[in-house]
Amino acid sequence: QSALTQPASVSGSPGQSITISCTGTSSDVGSYNLVSWYQQHPGKAPKLMIYEVSKRPSGVSNRFSGSKSGNTASLTISGLQAEDEADYYCCSYAGSSTFDVVFGGGTKLTVL
Amino acid sequence: QITLKESGPTLVKPTQTLTLTCTFSGFSLSTSGVGVGWIRQPPGKALEWLALIYWNDDKRYSPSLKSRLTITKDTSKNQVVLTMTNMDPVDTATYYCAHTGAYSTFDYWGQGTLVTVSS
Repeated sequence: QSALTQPASVSGSPGQSITISCTGTSSDVGSYNLVSWYQQHPGKAPKLMIYEVSKRPSGVSNRFSGSKSGNTASLTISGLQAEDEADYYCCSYAGSSTFDVVFGGGTKLTVL
Repeated sequence: QITLKESGPTLVKPTQTLTLTCTFSGFSLSTSGVGVGWIRQPPGKALEWLALIYWNDDKRYSPSLKSRLTITKDTSKNQVVLTMTNMDPVDTATYYCAHTGAYSTFDYWGQGTLVTVSS
């Protein structure tokens, strides 16, 4: 099972919006509404930002939103702020008969 | 509140077996739907899922590492243990344990523990 495909890097200026894509297959992203997104600052543990494609945990800013179309999920961050600069990982359930859980390769977000 | 903490050796030699313990609080692994997973991250690289154990003792492993991994739980001690055999330098990574209440959604993470494999 290959990792989900994410762009290596994205960038944006403060106040702008950016979108990070996460492409999987019909066996993972395309089959289940169980995509989650994690934010990771250097030296820190990942933090859950989005789950079940588009739900936000309590305490996560509504500037973060998620969506899915076919085999591709997306994370959008609006009103970019300096503290959003981090690595972002997508993750998908892949079915109990195969890989169960698969992560993306990660995307480095730079706030210019 | 839910907390998790990983513990284990920081340095292991090639071919040795790694044993990591995840000690948690704020939830019970006997509660329906709850699970604990292990995820690792080599320095400068991406997250990689390793294993999951659920409240009903259902165990799931990454197919690429299944032959080397064993995950167990001790509900009375609030601990989950991961063992990985035949360690290699490429297994050098920060190892995280995390709580899940729904399949692959890891909502609470430990701080991680760096394991270096070197002779």
